Amino acid sequence: QQQVKQSPQSLIVQKGGISIINCAYENTAFDYFPWYQQFPGKGPALLIAIRPDVSEKKEGRFTISFNKSAKQFSLHIMDSQPGDSATYFCAASRLYPYGGATNKLIFGTGTLLAVQP
Amino acid sequence: ETGVTQSPTHLIKTRGQQVTLRCSSQSGHNTVSWYQQALGQGPQFIFQYYREEENGRGNFPPRFSGLQFPNYSSELNVNALELDDSALYLCASSFGLAGGQNTQYFGPGTRLTVL
Repeated sequence: QQQVKQSPQSLIVQKGGISIINCAYENTAFDYFPWYQQFPGKGPALLIAIRPDVSEKKEGRFTISFNKSAKQFSLHIMDSQPGDSATYFCAASRLYPYGGATNKLIFGTGTLLAVQP
Repeated sequence: ETGVTQSPTHLIKTRGQQVTLRCSSQSGHNTVSWYQQALGQGPQFIFQYYREEENGRGNFPPRFSGLQFPNYSSELNVNALELDDSALYLCASSFGLAGGQNTQYFGPGTRLTVL
């Protein structure tokens, strides 16, 4: 119930292409879904996040698509650039935890994205 | 940069030793969460501190312990180190325990190697 499954494990995209990373969750109590970007030797940095009351959120070249009934969400990176090469993690948490729960982040296993020039 | 700092950057210890990792939260944040990130994996929640009290713990043994100080900085202590404790330890700070303002911002991490 606490897992977040992420795919693919790695992804190679040509410069200017679209990168798509998918995640699926099990716990319907999750109501906050952030994506983090991590460069080697750095901590994860928040990229974009969505709540389940909307089906899509866009910020610049980054878009999250959310399918509540399927319990799936995905990150789309439009016009991918070599500087986007990093590891991407989806995560899920509870914005309003109760009953001893916390707002801890449950992370996927990560996707290593390489954008070729 | 998030304003969350961690020290030391790297650390090498041997099995059975004890280690203390430190984290300074971002200005205005009162909550610190610690995560362990093994190589090639996503971060795993260790525990969280809010206003100097532990508020939730992940599936980690008691030899993982922590503290939060009045200035909201925090320490992670690991006793009786094991080889599997080798990982990147991340601290994340946030404001409060719930609501739209509790985005977690991560520090750069401490890379712990246990030999």
